[in-house]
Amino acid sequence: SQTIHQWPATLVQPVGSPLSLECTVEGTSNPNLYWYRQAAGRGLQLLFYSVGIGQISSEVPQNLSASRPQDRQFILSSKKLLLSDSGFYLCAWSIHGGYGYTFGSGTRLTVV
Amino acid sequence: KQEVTQIPAALSVPEGENLVLNCSFTDSAIYNLQWFRQDPGKGLTSLLLIQSSQREQTSGRLNASLDKSSGRSTLYIAASQPGDSATYLCAVVTGANSKLTFGKGITLSVRP
Repeated sequence: SQTIHQWPATLVQPVGSPLSLECTVEGTSNPNLYWYRQAAGRGLQLLFYSVGIGQISSEVPQNLSASRPQDRQFILSSKKLLLSDSGFYLCAWSIHGGYGYTFGSGTRLTVV
Repeated sequence: KQEVTQIPAALSVPEGENLVLNCSFTDSAIYNLQWFRQDPGKGLTSLLLIQSSQREQTSGRLNASLDKSSGRSTLYIAASQPGDSATYLCAVVTGANSKLTFGKGITLSVRP
């Protein structure tokens, strides 16, 4: 069966520090991968999506970047965190054919 | 641009009530619609997935319907229980890259 792993679960980082969040998927090949952010009191916002290795599309201009070095690995990064980067980050995957999305357990990022 | 609306933002009901959660979307050219549940501080759990060609899906006490032409979906919860308390999110898939657009969710509280 397919599983999605996301870590760490919580993270407290100072302003200006770097960030790396990792997401891996097991049990499927060539998935579409997504990073979403859920800020307090706001809906889920799509940040990045990837349809293949090295293929990254950005939805919102921001202080973050994403990379997909392997088929089932998706990484969210920042060189210098801002206070406004605080939020709940969710990784998700889907496959072609409309079989729905599966989400990871999320990372709670607090920038102080 | 697809927009998804869920009203009301919050709902409180006594245990045992049957209830309906509403979702509307502006662009009827969807591939599918998915209902999720989110517990506080947790990731998203998929409840039901309805393909664009389907009218409804059922799982246990949950039934979701889809009227694509009018841009509406409803999630019916029978005999509600305190354990059903959570935020319920509606999301639709549109576009060539199968992007998922979310509503802001309905926070449900079921009182014992």
